[in-house]
Amino acid sequence: GNSVTQMEGPVTLSEEAFLTINCTYTATGYPSLFWYVQYPGEGLQLLLKATKADDKGSNKGFEATYRKETTSFHLEKGSVQVSDSAVYFCALCSANDMRFGAGTRLTVKP
Amino acid sequence: EAGVTQFPSHSVIEKGQTVTLRCDPISGHDNLYWYRRVMGKEIKFLLHFVKESKQDESGMPNNRFLAERTGGTYSTLKVQPAELEDSGVYFCASSQRTGANYGYTFGSGTRLTVV
Repeated sequence: GNSVTQMEGPVTLSEEAFLTINCTYTATGYPSLFWYVQYPGEGLQLLLKATKADDKGSNKGFEATYRKETTSFHLEKGSVQVSDSAVYFCALCSANDMRFGAGTRLTVKP
Repeated sequence: EAGVTQFPSHSVIEKGQTVTLRCDPISGHDNLYWYRRVMGKEIKFLLHFVKESKQDESGMPNNRFLAERTGGTYSTLKVQPAELEDSGVYFCASSQRTGANYGYTFGSGTRLTVV
């Protein structure tokens, strides 16, 4: 079945550090891929998405590229801020079946 | 536009008690989804309503869970009787059209603790 595996946290970085959160997936067909973010006390928010191979999703300085050959959708940001502290979830959707990863908690320290 | 509202935000109940979670979707959104995240694991699908009908309830863990959406507006998820393993965060989401590509809007979740 479809599944998502993302790197375990927590991840703690200093402000302006480079961020990578790994995400790999298993799916039949051609899923769409997503990153969701949950800031403290808030709901899940769509951060970015990619709907086909080689697409790059980007938002708020975050980027992820849909890599079919490696079945990956790693999240990156060149310079994190304290306000990026949150839990990040990788997700895929195939045939209206949406699957999430376990989430990675990121803490950015000033 | 108001977002997806969930109530309560937190609930602590004893094993064997009943708890009812409520979700108010965005007005006009026919699709309503329930998910839950247990003990820091992945967010898992529970069920999907289209208006008042259950489109897919394959993720409901057992018959202690009952979801309703009378009138196709708000939805309730009742757990009766609650067990320790039901503790987790329950998320609700809504969308205008079916399929994640059209965008889900999530609520802030209800954190349920069963003691």
